[in-house]
Amino acid sequence: SQQGEEDPQALSIQEGENATMNCSYKTSINNLQWYRQNSGRGLVHLILIRSNEREKHSGRLRVTLDTSKKSSSLLITASRAADTASYFCATDDGNKLVFGAGTILRVKS
Amino acid sequence: DTAVSQTPKYLVTQMGNDKSIKCEQNLGHDTMYWYKQDSKKFLKIMFSYNNKELIINETVPNRFSPKSPDKAHLNLHINSLELGDSAVYFCASSRLPGTPAWETQYFGPGTRLLVL
Repeated sequence: SQQGEEDPQALSIQEGENATMNCSYKTSINNLQWYRQNSGRGLVHLILIRSNEREKHSGRLRVTLDTSKKSSSLLITASRAADTASYFCATDDGNKLVFGAGTILRVKS
Repeated sequence: DTAVSQTPKYLVTQMGNDKSIKCEQNLGHDTMYWYKQDSKKFLKIMFSYNNKELIINETVPNRFSPKSPDKAHLNLHINSLELGDSAVYFCASSRLPGTPAWETQYFGPGTRLLVL
C-alpha cells in the first residue's frame, strides 16, 4: 500500500526562488527520507529525519517532520536549474521503504 | 567505482521472451532490493534479499524470479514477458550489517525494459 503521498504533484518556479514539497503518510514511522530522481537516473538519497526529530538541515535543504499530523515538508532554498528533478518521500513500513508518488520540480533559468 | 550497478541499461524485447537483469553493489551492504517504477513514476518494491536470503516478496507474478548468488549480487529473471512488464527496474542496496533495514538505500541507474 502507498504510505507517503507528495503534494503538489508538480511545481514550476524561477531560479533563486524557494521550493516547498509536502508529504503525508498514514501509519507510525521510525524515520522519513527524501530522495531525488533526475530524469533517466536512479534515486539519490537526500536526507533522513528520525521520528523524534522535528527539523533537519543539509546545505540548501530543510526538512520538517510533524508526527502528530503525519506530515513532512522539504524546502529547497535558492533553487537552481540543476534542482530540476522528481522528489520522493519514503517511510519505513516494517522491513521495507514505501515511496510516495513524487513531486516533479522544474526550476526555470 | 560505481556503488550500485545494473546491466543492461536498456532492454527491448518481444512478448513471450525470457530476460534477465543483473545488479551488483560494492558498498558492503547485506540487503538488496528490486523495485519497479511504472510510467507514472510510482516506485514499488518487488523483492528484497538479506545475505542471500529472500526476506520480502511482494505480490509479484511468479514469472519474476530473483536470485542472489552472494550478498553483493542480485539478479532478476523474467519469464514469458508481457506488455505490462514494460517499466524501469531499479536495484538498490542498504543496511550495513547491524543497522536497521529501513536505513538509507542506494539505487542503481535503472534498467529500462520495453516489451513489444
